[in-house]
Amino acid sequence: DIQMTQSPASLSASVGETVTITCGASENIYGALNWYQRKQGKSPQLLIYGATNLADGMSSRFSGSGSGRQYSLKISSLHPDDVATYYCQNVLSTPYTFGGGTKLEIK
Amino acid sequence: EVKLVESGGGLVQPGGSLKLSCAASGFTFSSYTMSWVRQTPEKRLEWVAYISNGGGSTYYPDTVKGRFTISRDNAKNTLYLQMSSLKSEDTAMYYCARVAVKRDYYAMDYWGQGTSVTVSS
Repeated sequence: DIQMTQSPASLSASVGETVTITCGASENIYGALNWYQRKQGKSPQLLIYGATNLADGMSSRFSGSGSGRQYSLKISSLHPDDVATYYCQNVLSTPYTFGGGTKLEIK
Repeated sequence: EVKLVESGGGLVQPGGSLKLSCAASGFTFSSYTMSWVRQTPEKRLEWVAYISNGGGSTYYPDTVKGRFTISRDNAKNTLYLQMSSLKSEDTAMYYCARVAVKRDYYAMDYWGQGTSVTVSS
């Protein structure tokens, strides 16, 4: 199984700052990497697919990058509404494993 | 509007069984692969099962293989998850999710609101 490791597990940043979350795969997943946003009390929502493609309706302040085994999610100009837990997911092969999540808080 | 509504969760004893349902609307259900994903009390997400649009292909992780069965009724626009030999570690919020192919990548683009399963004596 492909293992997904996210860091940091949590972070706190100020409104207007830019933050980056990283996700590492135990093997090359060739860009088959999705990011999801889960707000408190809500269902997860697709944020980025195929490592770099912004999902419909999501803010352009979110961007994804990476290749091979290393990927990152950047959130620019933080808004209070960005408070959520972010998860990466391998979709190269089953089982479609998720990272452990990164909890983002606003200072 | 795409809508996925789960039901069937509840409290069950270890070793017991439970069947979850997910009613889909707002899209052509029979055209999409569907999945179940669970969120553990520790807030981890775990992919639980996957079924192709026609129902001919299913996949499970080892953690539930042999105990969980995913199925679908395309005439009723409904997805199911039959869970048996339940363990305490199966306690979670269970979500059904639509699986789309976006630029050659699988992506769970719509999720239901979830149904809670608690396995405890």
